Amino acid sequence: QVQLVESGGGVVQPGRSLRLSCAASGFTFSSDGMHWVRQAPGKGLEWVALISNSGSYTLHADSVKGRFAFSRDNSRNMAYLQMNSLRVEDTAVYYCAKDKGGHWALDYWGQGTLVTVSS
Amino acid sequence: QSVLTQPASVSGSPGQSITVSCTGTSSDVGGYNYVSWYQQHPGKAPKLMIYDVSDRPSGVSNRFSGSKSGNTASLTISGLQAEDEADYYCSSYTTSSTWVFGGGTKLTVL
Repeated sequence: QVQLVESGGGVVQPGRSLRLSCAASGFTFSSDGMHWVRQAPGKGLEWVALISNSGSYTLHADSVKGRFAFSRDNSRNMAYLQMNSLRVEDTAVYYCAKDKGGHWALDYWGQGTLVTVSS
Repeated sequence: QSVLTQPASVSGSPGQSITVSCTGTSSDVGGYNYVSWYQQHPGKAPKLMIYDVSDRPSGVSNRFSGSKSGNTASLTISGLQAEDEADYYCSSYTTSSTWVFGGGTKLTVL
């Protein structure tokens, strides 16, 4: 069965960096794009980015442009979110989710990892 | 990115039907048949319930259905059950090659 497990969250000071990881199993990882979605405490879902199946391109929200970078290692079934210049408003649970190819939907989600940006 | 507009809350009694609306623009909901709906129980990850406006993933009850008219999509849950109590989010692909979510609707089963 499809399983996505995020890791790397924690408490970080404003302006610092953090890298999140997403370990995938149960499907052909190299065939599907991977999304990142975040949810601030008590708030709704916010789409962050999609990295294509090959990693050749990414699409991302304006709110993270120039600060966040996205990558994947298909040999290790891993996706990564590098967060730089973190702001208090980046505090959220970050989910990785598998793209449902050809349908522009997110069909499997990880359990999320909490990132808290605070001084 | 704009947020799709959903009612903050809806409620219904067991066995009844409810509908959650999701209003966007011609740049998202109205522009594509790529509306999806997600269910989220407290403290849990979202779960895909509807994709491509009205298709259900394998394993999702046929009590859940979706539709769209113009810039507004809708999720209908028939035969409400206690376990349907959750937050529901709509989402759409956009002309900016991004995805946008609604603000979420809290469903209370009375």
